[in-house]
Amino acid sequence: EDQVTQSPEALRLQEGESSSLNCSYTVSGLRGLFWYRQDPGKGPEFLFTLYSAGEEKEKERLKATLTKKESFLHITAPKPEDSATYLCAFPARIQGAQKLVFGQGTRLTINP
Amino acid sequence: NAGVTQTPKFRVLKTGQSMTLLCAQDMNHEYMYWYRQDPGMGLRLIHYSVGEGTTAKGEVPDGYNVSRLKKQNFLLGLESAAPSQTSVYFCASSLENSGGAVETQYFGPGTRLLVL
Repeated sequence: EDQVTQSPEALRLQEGESSSLNCSYTVSGLRGLFWYRQDPGKGPEFLFTLYSAGEEKEKERLKATLTKKESFLHITAPKPEDSATYLCAFPARIQGAQKLVFGQGTRLTINP
Repeated sequence: NAGVTQTPKFRVLKTGQSMTLLCAQDMNHEYMYWYRQDPGMGLRLIHYSVGEGTTAKGEVPDGYNVSRLKKQNFLLGLESAAPSQTSVYFCASSLENSGGAVETQYFGPGTRLLVL
């Protein structure tokens, strides 16, 4: 069964302490991988789409990378406002459309 | 643009009561979706629509009905609420993706539903 697994479940960092979040996938014929950010009480907010191994995308302190088995979300010199749950997801075919299959998320806390 | 909006933000129901959740999008997206998010289960697709007047079942459709009378609106109904339907409900929309193109889904702020 196609699925994504995110690790760690939770991560606490000090402000300025860089780290990476992992999204491992077992998907036959991966056509794309999404990263979303979700703040408490809010809906998922789109960050990136990666389409093929070797691709990288950046936005402010975040950089997403993709290999044939996993994706990483690198966060450089994070600030408290980067605290959120980060979700990865892949598109799966359903009749006439696509649904997103999400991982369980990594809850990131940045302490000042 | 407001993007995707949802009404209401929070609701408490008693078992057996009915309600309708409203989703509206102003991005002229053809496709719309309803997901529920539960601890340990992640986001799961309930129903979706590929256009005005069309709906289809997702992976957890039981106990829900939907309607898409206008392109910009997608309604999720609970005819007889059960405690198992306590959850956070998210609506999303995207461009047409039936041809295999990978299209981003944009999510609303969610509706928190508590069924007692």
